Amino acid sequence: ELQLVESGGGLVQPGGSLRLSCAASGISVSDSYLSWVRQAPGKGLEWVSVIRSGGTTSHADSVTGRFIISRDNYKNTVYLQMNNLRPEDTAVYYCARLEPFPYFMFDSWGQGSLVTVSS
Amino acid sequence: DIQMTQSPSSLSASVGDRVTITCRASQNINKYLNWYQQKPGRAPRLLMSAASTLQSGVPSRFSGSGSGTDYTLTISNLQPEDFATYSCQQSYTTPWTFGQGTEVAVK
Repeated sequence: ELQLVESGGGLVQPGGSLRLSCAASGISVSDSYLSWVRQAPGKGLEWVSVIRSGGTTSHADSVTGRFIISRDNYKNTVYLQMNNLRPEDTAVYYCARLEPFPYFMFDSWGQGSLVTVSS
Repeated sequence: DIQMTQSPSSLSASVGDRVTITCRASQNINKYLNWYQQKPGRAPRLLMSAASTLQSGVPSRFSGSGSGTDYTLTISNLQPEDFATYSCQQSYTTPWTFGQGTEVAVK
């Protein structure tokens, strides 16, 4: 059974850094498209980043240059390195598998990790 | 970026009701439209892909339709477990974008 477990969230000051982890089981991260999707309090969902099976990555404009998605195939884990955090980055961050064929869809989700950016 | 607009933002309904939620894209997305259900404090759950393809395990009272820029999610015979927030998402192009969500609440 596919399972995604996020960790690493917490309280950080503006301008600070945090790294989220998404440990996968039931799939190989090297063979999968994995994404981060966030949800600010009381708001809708926002796609943040994706790492494709081939290793290429994409990020939303709102985080480009500040966030980096990566993976460790041996640990079967995906990471989101978040730098220069802003209050507007406060959200629950979900790790989700993106099934690319035939229609890109987020078909499995982790439980989420809360990131709070505040002084 | 493709903007996704849902209506209404919220609605009140009773068990047994038929509920319809609309999602409009800012450009043609050729049925690259997915629907999610989310309950408070929980992760989203994929209900439907390609505008009308139910995911495994999703009850048949859920249905989807649409093309071009306009799509609908219909829940017939609303059940207690269906009270939740529903979001659409376009998968036509990156950045993948979501609607703001529609809360289905108890009347």
